[in-house]
Amino acid sequence: NAGVTQTPKFQVLKTGQSMTLQCAQDMNHNSMYWYRQDPGMGLRLIYYSASEGTTDKGEVPNGYNVSRLNKREFSLRLESAAPSQTSVYFCASRRRENQPQHFGDGTRLSIL
Amino acid sequence: AQSVTQLDSQVPVFEEAPVELRCNYSSSVSVYLFWYVQYPNQGLQLLLKYLSGSTLVKGINGFEAEFNKSQTSFHLRKPSVHISDTAEYFCAVSDGEAGSYQLTFGKGTKLSVIP
Repeated sequence: NAGVTQTPKFQVLKTGQSMTLQCAQDMNHNSMYWYRQDPGMGLRLIYYSASEGTTDKGEVPNGYNVSRLNKREFSLRLESAAPSQTSVYFCASRRRENQPQHFGDGTRLSIL
Repeated sequence: AQSVTQLDSQVPVFEEAPVELRCNYSSSVSVYLFWYVQYPNQGLQLLLKYLSGSTLVKGINGFEAEFNKSQTSFHLRKPSVHISDTAEYFCAVSDGEAGSYQLTFGKGTKLSVIP
């Protein structure tokens, strides 16, 4: 009963380093999403993938790239990390438009 | 694009008292509405959803919400709160049109239940 699995759960990076956040879902969902959560800001959409083979920008895409590797996996890459990218990152998925999104437990990322 | 306003950033309430968390969204022909709860250091968990039909929606943990189209609101209520309800609550809305994939979240309301 895994649902949406995110790795790693915690990470500390230095400014300028790169890293990839991994997300996998086992619910055969079509759409997948990456959000960042900052205090008082709610959740802001970074990128999403409506279906396998497609990706689109959300509200705050600058500084990030994504890859929809297959139907299960959707990764988020920071090419050159900046302190402003310190945040909690959530991956989510859903079957189709009128269904709720299911969330992972988040990745807590600190950039020094 | 949709926008969601959660009118209260923090709501303190005594245990066993009723609570209402307010949510308003920008108008649209049709919408899907959701409430999520986030406990400390966890992801978001669905409380309830409105897709169509009855405007009063019941969710988990004794919560309910009422969809009011004329006021573009979707307020969350619970008649008697428990300490375990202390969490942050997020209202979210999606356009009810084909090809609409994005979910817009409010900024959250932190509910603190006081013993």
